[in-house]
Amino acid sequence: EAQVTQNPRYLITVTGKKLTVTCSQNMNHEYMSWYRQDPGLGLRQIYYSMNVEVTDKGDVPEGYKVSRKEKRNFPLILESPSPNQTSLYFCASSRTGGGSYEQYFGPGTRLTVT
Amino acid sequence: AQSVAQPEDQVNVAEGNPLTVKCTYSVSGNPYLFWYVQYPNRGLQFLLKYITGDNLVKGSYGFEAEFNKSQTSFHLKKPSALVSDSALYFCAVPGNFNKFYFGSGTKLNVKP
Repeated sequence: EAQVTQNPRYLITVTGKKLTVTCSQNMNHEYMSWYRQDPGLGLRQIYYSMNVEVTDKGDVPEGYKVSRKEKRNFPLILESPSPNQTSLYFCASSRTGGGSYEQYFGPGTRLTVT
Repeated sequence: AQSVAQPEDQVNVAEGNPLTVKCTYSVSGNPYLFWYVQYPNRGLQFLLKYITGDNLVKGSYGFEAEFNKSQTSFHLKKPSALVSDSALYFCAVPGNFNKFYFGSGTKLNVKP
């Protein structure tokens, strides 16, 4: 089954404790992306990747890091989480960049930072 | 810069009635436009997209969207709403440099 998986689904942590949210896709997609969803703001793009070792900032990259060492994986790293990073996070992938292909989304990770 | 706007936070409709969820866009050049749906506790699912061609685009679950260049709109429609259509709907547009922009979302409530 074609899918995007994320782990963990739920995470409660404390300020400053480094964490990683994993994302993996099994569709051989080139383009992968991370979004955060906040009430009233829709989805905002954090980082995206056009292919292995090619990453770039979205609209809200502050406080986040990513890496793309393998085509299927695109982890999101919060090196020193803060309460304003409490949010619902989605990973997504699409066949290529360029904007003409639909994105496939993971189930989401709900992060709470206290 | 590319952007989309969803002017309604919530739309209420009775089951069996037609529904419309509105989206307007601000895009330079010819736009690609998307609609996604989010059911409770789920990720977003692709519904339909406009790339070029016919202004009426048909998608999943009986939904369609009408691209209107003069009004810069891409409204989502369905002739007869189902209770199971109740969800959060997002329109989206690709931006420059392979970024993506989503609207703020519209909650659709379909009452029996």
